[in-house]
Amino acid sequence: GESVGLHLPTLSVQEGDNSIINCAYSNSASDYFIWYKQESGKGPQFIIDIRSNMDKRQGQRVTVLLNKTVKHLSLQIAATQPGDSAVYFCAERGSGKTSYDKVIFGPGTSLSVIP
Amino acid sequence: DTEVTQTPKHLVMGMTNKKSLKCEQHMGHRAMYWYKQKAKKPPELMFVYSYEKLSINESVPSRFSPECPNSSLLNLHLHALQPEDSALYLCASSQSRGRTEGYTFGSGTRLTVV
Repeated sequence: GESVGLHLPTLSVQEGDNSIINCAYSNSASDYFIWYKQESGKGPQFIIDIRSNMDKRQGQRVTVLLNKTVKHLSLQIAATQPGDSAVYFCAERGSGKTSYDKVIFGPGTSLSVIP
Repeated sequence: DTEVTQTPKHLVMGMTNKKSLKCEQHMGHRAMYWYKQKAKKPPELMFVYSYEKLSINESVPSRFSPECPNSSLLNLHLHALQPEDSALYLCASSQSRGRTEGYTFGSGTRLTVV
């Protein structure tokens, strides 16, 4: 797998390798973070989420890491498969009264899996 | 039923037309959302409805008019749109306001304004 820099729009990985997708968030008051996968022609699909009182959460083949010190979020996909090819968005939800309803999306990273 | 259904899937309209987008869910969710997504960009929040009442309008132009006639249905009425309004319009729902766990998106309506 290959780690990408912040805001880098594309990532290509070999099938079977691990992928790491990074995301910077801006609001230090955000209390909840979500990763979404969006395939062509479809709406975003929930992958995994994490609350601000955690620094790691694991799902099936995916792990999300949260570093609140530097406001950084990452999604790790183990043994990447062709079906993982999609655009991945991180999203944050604020904790304040006016932002509690809002899920705000980051710029997205396009993941291409090479067979 | 764990889906959010949006109709139509594709829509082409002229700048003088009036049209409506429809979103439906039968999961008992009480919060519903409209997002706009331009090509190669993230979804941008437009409106939030909570218990059929508009709770957030993200400074959206008045040519977009949302409506929530009941807890299962969300409409977006379109009038006098501009070509730059062409985009994918996504609807989402969640159990309640702030309960973004289980936030479910529809597949969207691809809108082209000519």
